[in-house]
Amino acid sequence: NAGVTQTPKFRVLKTGQSMTLLCAQDMNHEYMYWYRQDPGMGLRLIHYSVGEGTTAKGEVPDGYNVSRLKKQNFLLGLESAAPSQTSVYFCASSYDARGGYTDTQYFGPGTRLTVL
Amino acid sequence: AQKITQTQPGMFVQEKEAVTLDCTYDTSDPSYGLFWYKQPSSGEMIFLIYQGSYDQQNATEGRYSLNFQKARKSANLVISASQLGDSAMYFCAMRVTGGSYIPTFGRGTSLIVHP
Repeated sequence: NAGVTQTPKFRVLKTGQSMTLLCAQDMNHEYMYWYRQDPGMGLRLIHYSVGEGTTAKGEVPDGYNVSRLKKQNFLLGLESAAPSQTSVYFCASSYDARGGYTDTQYFGPGTRLTVL
Repeated sequence: AQKITQTQPGMFVQEKEAVTLDCTYDTSDPSYGLFWYKQPSSGEMIFLIYQGSYDQQNATEGRYSLNFQKARKSANLVISASQLGDSAMYFCAMRVTGGSYIPTFGRGTSLIVHP
């Protein structure tokens, strides 16, 4: 049981390049989230999904796209990276419908992205 | 809109003493959950404790307890018998159980435990 995993752990991009961050969970969770964490700002929600095939915008969605084609995976894409997207990105998941409702989010280890 | 406020950017405590980290929240929704997470210097986010808005008793998990005062809209984290390993950032978070389902996090409190 790996919990929530993120790939890659570190990445350096040049302005204008694209990349995809992969999040995978093996807890049968319905909900998945992508956050970014910047110094002094706490966590800010980028996009989230409440089930396979669904996505929705969070607090700071501009410049990012997401997809949830499989229940266990949630992908975050940057089509044209900008220095303002330098951050630590966290994926999280919650809510196993078999186990009853719970709000608790479980987080991946994070991806440190630098855009030059 | 929901809001979480953590007014203490940094806290210091002596090892083996208790410490309270403050969290106030704002929501008009009657049904919500409150969470605390720990982020050590290694970077991972670790779930500590959960309190539901309709829970009658304050939540406890080992050395962690949540002092839930609904009328004052506060959800302070109490760590008893602090240990050096408790040094970390602590985040308070909330999610209403109706509506947008978007969680809201505070900006965090840095706790340093002195030997």
